[in-house]
Amino acid sequence: GDSVTQMEGPVTLSEEAFLTINCTYTATGYPSLFWYVQYPGEGLQLLLKATKADDKGSNKGFEATYRKETTSFHLEKGSVQVSDSAVYFCALSDQGSSYKLIFGSGTRLLVRP
Amino acid sequence: GAGVSQSPRYKVTKRGQDVALRCDPISGHVSLYWYRQALGQGPEFLTYFNYEAQQDKSGLPNDRFSAERPEGSISTLTIQRTEQRDSAMYRCASSPNDYGNVQGQFFGPGTRLTVL
Repeated sequence: GDSVTQMEGPVTLSEEAFLTINCTYTATGYPSLFWYVQYPGEGLQLLLKATKADDKGSNKGFEATYRKETTSFHLEKGSVQVSDSAVYFCALSDQGSSYKLIFGSGTRLLVRP
Repeated sequence: GAGVSQSPRYKVTKRGQDVALRCDPISGHVSLYWYRQALGQGPEFLTYFNYEAQQDKSGLPNDRFSAERPEGSISTLTIQRTEQRDSAMYRCASSPNDYGNVQGQFFGPGTRLTVL
């Protein structure tokens, strides 16, 4: 079945460092891909998405490119801030049941001042 | 406007008791979803409603779990005869429609269920 694999955390960075969180997926057909973020005590929020190969999703300085050839959707940010500390979840929805999100296990990011 | 709300935020119960978890979606959102999240894992799909109709319940683990959304707004997830393995965070989400997650799903803060 469909699945998402994320790099394990926690990822600890200093402020202004470059961030990469790896995400790869297994799916039949052409899934849509998402990054969700969970700040402490809050629900998951959609950060960005991409619906077809080579699409780049971006929001709040974060970017991710849908790479079908490597089945990846890595999250990047050029300069992280303390306020970016959160848990990041990669997810997909497949064509057959597009309402259903399949999540990775999440990656905790801690940014130190 | 108000986001998705869930109640209670925390629920501690004894094994064998029934529990009811409530979700109040964003006003006007057609679709509503329930997920379960174990510690250190991502959310796993349980069930999905379009208006009041339960469209997919394939993720419900067994027949002790049920969900309803009788008026197409508030939803209740009920777990009967709770077991310790039911302990988890239960998350509700809503979306304006179910068209390929175009606008994403909006999640509530979750209910942390602990079964003793």
